Amino acid sequence: QVQLVQSGAEVREPGASVKVSCKASGYTFTNYFMHWMRQAPGQGLEYMGLVEAGNGNTLYAQKFQGRVTMTRDTSTSAIYLELSSLGLDDTAVYYCAREPPRQCFFDYWGQGTLVTVSS
Amino acid sequence: QSALTQSASVSGSPGQSITISCTGTSSDVGSDNFVSWYQHYAGKAPKLLIFDVSKRPSGVSDRFSGSKSGNTASLTISGLQTEDEADYYCCSRARDGTYVFGTGTNVAVL
Repeated sequence: QVQLVQSGAEVREPGASVKVSCKASGYTFTNYFMHWMRQAPGQGLEYMGLVEAGNGNTLYAQKFQGRVTMTRDTSTSAIYLELSSLGLDDTAVYYCAREPPRQCFFDYWGQGTLVTVSS
Repeated sequence: QSALTQSASVSGSPGQSITISCTGTSSDVGSDNFVSWYQHYAGKAPKLLIFDVSKRPSGVSDRFSGSKSGNTASLTISGLQTEDEADYYCCSRARDGTYVFGTGTNVAVL
């Protein structure tokens, strides 16, 4: 069965960086686009960007361009989200999600990773 | 890219029908038929309910239905049940290939 398993909670100070992972299993990893979203406390879902698992191409939401990096490792079927210059408002649960080929929706999601930015 | 606009909350009694609206622009909701809806319980991963405006994935109850007119998409929940109490988000692909979510609607079953 399809599973997306994310890394555990992280705590960072303002100005630091964080890297979150999402390991996929149960399907052909390279056939899919993978996306990252987040939800800050009391807020809605916010789209961050995508990485094409097959070739590593990326597309980032304008808000995060310049401080986000999304990568993938085909040898481990994992994707990574790195966010730099963290501010207090980056405290959120970060989710990865899968987009089926030639579709425009997210059919499987990771369990979420809480990133807390605190001094 | 601004978030799509949803009502903050909608409520209904068991058995009733409710409709959640999602308003965007001609650059997202109105540009194509790539609108999806997600059900989100606190502390859980979001669940796909509707894709391509009105299609239901296998296993999703037919009590959930979607539609679109112009720049506004809608999700209707019929035969409301207590288990439907959750947050609901619309999502649309934008012209630049990224996506944008709605502001979210909390559904309460009275």
